[in-house]
Amino acid sequence: DIQMTQSPSTLSASVGDRVTITCRASQSISSWLAWYQQKPGKAPKLLIYKASSLQSGVPSRFSGSGSGTEFTLTISSLQPDDFATFYCQQYDSYSTFGQGTKLEIK
Amino acid sequence: QVQLVESGGGLVKPGGYLRLSCAASGFTFSDYYMSWIRQAPGKGLEWVSYISSRGSSLYYADSVRGRFTISRDNAKNSLYLQMNSLRAEDTAVYYCARQAGWSHSFFDYWGQGTLVTVSS
Repeated sequence: DIQMTQSPSTLSASVGDRVTITCRASQSISSWLAWYQQKPGKAPKLLIYKASSLQSGVPSRFSGSGSGTEFTLTISSLQPDDFATFYCQQYDSYSTFGQGTKLEIK
Repeated sequence: QVQLVESGGGLVKPGGYLRLSCAASGFTFSDYYMSWIRQAPGKGLEWVSYISSRGSSLYYADSVRGRFTISRDNAKNSLYLQMNSLRAEDTAVYYCARQAGWSHSFFDYWGQGTLVTVSS
């Protein structure tokens, strides 16, 4: 099974900051990686697929990069609505999620 | 617009069973692979099972294989998850999700989830 490891587990930041979350796969997954945002009590929302493709309707301040085993999600300028938990998901071999990164207000 | 609405969750004793349903609307249900994904309280996401668009291909996570059965009724635009021999560790919010592609894919739409609690 492919394991996904996110870092950091928790991130404190302020509105306007640029933040980066990293996701590492235990083996190469090419670009078969997605990112989701989840707010408390809500379902996850797709942000990025195929490592760097922005889902329709998602603000352009969100971007993804990487291939192989290392990937990043970047938010260029944090907005108040962005504070949430973020998950990566590999879909090269079935599906595995990272453990999540909670983005908190500093 | 795409809508997925889960139902059927509740409190069940260990060893018991439950059947979850997911009603789909706003898209051609029979064209899409579908999955169940769960989230234990305060924990991360765990993919549980997927089913192909016509129901001919099924796959399960090791943690549920042999106990859970996924199915669909394309005439009723509905997805199901039959859960037998339930354990405390199956306690979670269960989401149905539409797969954007084939067997290995990301999930572009999710339902709101239904809570399953396994406890005596």
